[in-house]
Amino acid sequence: SAVISQKPSRDICQRGTSLTIQCQVDSQVTMMFWYRQQPGQSLTLIATANQGSEATYESGFVIDKFPISRPNLTFSTLTVSNMSPEDSSIYLCSVELWSLSGGSSYNEQFFGPGTRLTVL
Amino acid sequence: SQQGEEDPQALSIQEGENATMNCSYKTSINNLQWYRQNSGRGLVHLILIRSNEREKHSGRLRVTLDTSKKSSSLLITASRAADTASYFCATDAGGTSYGKLTFGQGTILTVHP
Repeated sequence: SAVISQKPSRDICQRGTSLTIQCQVDSQVTMMFWYRQQPGQSLTLIATANQGSEATYESGFVIDKFPISRPNLTFSTLTVSNMSPEDSSIYLCSVELWSLSGGSSYNEQFFGPGTRLTVL
Repeated sequence: SQQGEEDPQALSIQEGENATMNCSYKTSINNLQWYRQNSGRGLVHLILIRSNEREKHSGRLRVTLDTSKKSSSLLITASRAADTASYFCATDAGGTSYGKLTFGQGTILTVHP
């Protein structure tokens, strides 16, 4: 597994402002992902962040609203821009790690502790 | 959109009993992973089962996968109060969707002491 940390763990923000969430991993990983979990809901993928390339966004998410940086293999940031109350969610980063078992390789995904964002 | 459906949505049992949660999905998958989430915190990875596997064990956890029915089940044996949490299945379809997990709606498990 991997040790993944996120900052901040929680924040309360005013409408119209922006918040940048940091995700740090204790090992080098190629693929990092950002998810959103709205209150009482499951997780939805926002974007995939690979080092050295632009993040790829899922349907319904755009770069202007959720700009992502991936400056190296252990770090990524997600910014929630021009926030509204509808952005109140838990934001989680995840990384993919490869394992070997029985002669086959497979990828497991591990998550950070999340950032709980409340927008007033 | 969410690919997976989980049932039951909520499950309440007594300590020592077994808990079974089911997950169904719609498309072919590369693997399926189960996660636990305590009180809206981060997700804890429980177990991964690959598409060519039918059953997998880890401690008190037993996961089955039936690709013909596009379904999986998670069994927690001899449950404990500390198992109280939300449980999610997540599928990786592979191919162009490689690494992109699609989550089920989750099952809220309550284990009473």
